[in-house]
Amino acid sequence: GAVVSQHPSRVICKSGTSVKIECRSLDFQATTMFWYRQFPKKSLMLMATSNEGSKATYEQGVEKDKFLINHASLTLSTLTVTSAHPEDSSFYICSARTLWIEAFFGQGTRLTVV
Amino acid sequence: EDQVTQSPEALRLQEGESSSLNCSYTVSGLRGLFWYRQDPGKGPEFLFTLYSAGEEKEKERLKATLTKKESFLHITAPKPEDSATYLCAVQAPAAGGSYIPTFGRGTSLIVHP
Repeated sequence: GAVVSQHPSRVICKSGTSVKIECRSLDFQATTMFWYRQFPKKSLMLMATSNEGSKATYEQGVEKDKFLINHASLTLSTLTVTSAHPEDSSFYICSARTLWIEAFFGQGTRLTVV
Repeated sequence: EDQVTQSPEALRLQEGESSSLNCSYTVSGLRGLFWYRQDPGKGPEFLFTLYSAGEEKEKERLKATLTKKESFLHITAPKPEDSATYLCAVQAPAAGGSYIPTFGRGTSLIVHP
């Protein structure tokens, strides 16, 4: 299957600082990338959908000014959590897809805000 | 509204005890049903894509089947290493011509040695 690399896998940051998470499709061009948040023992919660070269579409209830998404190329999308607070601590996962076929997931990023 | 329901929520099996996981869906214009495996603390790992009723796919001890209303993930003679959460997702046209996968809540499988 296709490979999606997500970095970092774990990050601890101080409250009020910003954190950037990268998602790269290594062996295919991803026209669409998805960002999810997952709470312990819960399913995936879609945060936003981004298409290369256009603004991300955020799901209802997701603050676009707090969770900045950039999809500047066909192989890279970034999620920046701005002014992070402890309630933003979570497991964040990206997935990448070409057209409407199956999406492949990154390894996930465990964010802890202290 | 598209819906995906997975059952059971949790399943405990003895090693070698075959069983099936269910994924029921209601969508208009299905453009793929996907099965993923997720281990704790990791991103989901792609297993199968099914596109049309009657389609079947196999990989080692896993076999996925699809009807017009549901999909089954059959696990034959499972081993402890098959323990994981199995996620089902369906993809259908959404507003604006996009395709966004809708995930079920998953089935947590534990296989005891």
